[in-house]
Amino acid sequence: EAQVTQNPRYLITVTGKKLTVTCSQNMNHEYMSWYRQDPGLGLRQIYYSMNVEVTDKGDVPEGYKVSRKEKRNFPLILESPSPNQTSLYFCASSYRDQETQYFGPGTRLLVL
Amino acid sequence: GQNIDQPTEMTATEGAIVQINCTYQTSGFNGLFWYQQHAGEAPTFLSYNVLDGLEEKGRFSSFLSRSKGYSYLLLKELQMKDSASYLCAVREGNTNAGKSTFGDGTTLTVKP
Repeated sequence: EAQVTQNPRYLITVTGKKLTVTCSQNMNHEYMSWYRQDPGLGLRQIYYSMNVEVTDKGDVPEGYKVSRKEKRNFPLILESPSPNQTSLYFCASSYRDQETQYFGPGTRLLVL
Repeated sequence: GQNIDQPTEMTATEGAIVQINCTYQTSGFNGLFWYQQHAGEAPTFLSYNVLDGLEEKGRFSSFLSRSKGYSYLLLKELQMKDSASYLCAVREGNTNAGKSTFGDGTTLTVKP
């Protein structure tokens, strides 16, 4: 089944404790992206990747890191999480950047 | 960058037609997408416009005017299950190829 998977789906952590949210797609998509969604706000792009070893900042990259060492995986790293990073995070992928994005199920993060 | 505006909320009656508008300001345009998002779930693709005109897919249609920076999503024969948030998203081009900006979403409530 073609899909985008994210892990974990739910996470409660404390300020300053490094964490990684994984994202994997099995559709051989070149383009991958991370978004956060907060109440009353739309999806805001954190980082995106046009292909392996190519990553760029979105609109809200502060406090996040990403890597794209292989095509299928695009992990989101929070080196020192803070409460303002409490949010719902979505990973998405598409064959190319101009095309429809397929979203993962989301990761709910609470930073205490 | 991008600025996207869409109404916050709309209400319509089952069986009716509703039009959700989206206006955008862009420094580079590479396509406009509409996504549907039910509460607590990931967004799913509805339609895509890159050229001016109307795209029809069953009960859903989307229109684009690039010169006016304007799009709308038309939902016909509304069903209760159409109650959801509808997100307008613009893909940038040129030097910002790969960047996606989403509107804050329009919450549609369908009443019996």
